[in-house]
Parts: sequence; structure tokens; C-alpha cells
Amino acid sequence: EDKVVQSPLSLVVHEGDTVTLNCSYEVTNFRSLLWYKQEKKAPTFLFMLTSSGIEKKSGRLSSILDKKELSSILNITATQTGDSAIYLCAVDYSWGKFQFGAGTQVVVTP
Amino acid sequence: DTGVSQNPRHKITKRGQNVTFRCDPISEHNRLYWYRQTLGQGPEFLTYFQNEAQLEKSRLLSDRFSAERPKGSFSTLEIQRTEQGDSAMYLCASSLSRGMDEQYFGPGTRLTVT
Repeated sequence: EDKVVQSPLSLVVHEGDTVTLNCSYEVTNFRSLLWYKQEKKAPTFLFMLTSSGIEKKSGRLSSILDKKELSSILNITATQTGDSAIYLCAVDYSWGKFQFGAGTQVVVTP
Repeated sequence: DTGVSQNPRHKITKRGQNVTFRCDPISEHNRLYWYRQTLGQGPEFLTYFQNEAQLEKSRLLSDRFSAERPKGSFSTLEIQRTEQGDSAMYLCASSLSRGMDEQYFGPGTRLTVT
């Protein structure tokens, strides 16, 4: 059965800290891995990863895929309170079908 | 606003009633997805369309659930004889279908079944 597992489930950090979120997957036909940020509304797209070892970066956020380890990490440096959200990982495993993980809840305290 | 829109945003209904939700995707997107999300979980795939064709339905989707996309533009999701377990956020997303395309989500419809 295809599955996507995220860890940790939740974490609390202080402003300025760096966080690393993990996503591991077991799917039969991997095509891409996506990261989304979800605040009190719909998920918003962050990154799409298809190739192993190539880091994608957007401001203080970065992500990388390791196809050998069947995993990805999302890093947030110099965290701000506005980074508080649920971060979702999703895997495209069958021509546009997506399996989501349960998400990691990040709380950034002032 | 050219994003994905969903209506209504909130729906409270009594058990046993039928409900229908609408999703308007981004206009040039030919793929449209429906997901269900409950507290503490990621979005759970329900079904998706390529233009007007429904390509796949999750086995989790009971026969009380039906979705349509009659003209390949907006879509409706109907739940018949609602149960309390149907209470959830119903999310719609759309994408292009060029190969590897990210999904853009709508704001969701929160359903509460009393």
C-alpha cells in the first residue's frame, strides 16, 4: 500500500531557530514530491521535487529529495512567527494522483 | 480573483440530508481533484477529473458520494444521506496536465453533520 509518513508530527521552536521536517514515502510509481504550507485554510504550494540531490530554495525555505532513501527534507532557517503552520508532503505516484502525509505542525514562539 | 473557488464555505446539515458542493477551478486547468481532510490528517484523495472525464475514484468513496464535471469546467460533489462521519473539510484543487504539475487548492467547504 502506498504511504507517505512525515516526522515529527509537531514541534515548537523559538523565533530564529532552524527547523528540519522529514517526509518518507513508499509508493509504487514515484513521479514527484511536493511540499505545501497550510495555515487556517487551504494548502499553498511550496516546492516540487523530481530529481535527487538538487536543492530547491525560496527565501528561508529549502528542500531536497533523496530517491535512494525515499525521503525528502524541508528546512526553514531563521524561523518567524509567520512560519507557524502545518507543512504537508505529497507524492505524485500515478499520473497526477497524490498521496499526502499527515503533516507536521510547526509552532514558532516569539 | 483567478484562483480556485469553492461554495459554500461552510455547511451545517442534519444527518440523512443530501448536500452538494461546488468547485470552480482555475480557468485553464483541465485537471480537477476532490479531497477530504479531517483534523490532524493530510488531504485524502476522493476523485479526480481530466476535463469532463472522471478518471479515478478512491475506494474510500462510498456510493453515497458522487461527483460530476459536466462541461469540463466547474465540478460538483454530492453526498447523499449524510452521516456524522462525513463531517470534514472538502477541498478542491486544480492543475494543468502537462506532466508534472502542482495542484492549486481552493479554500475548502467545511461540512458539519449534526
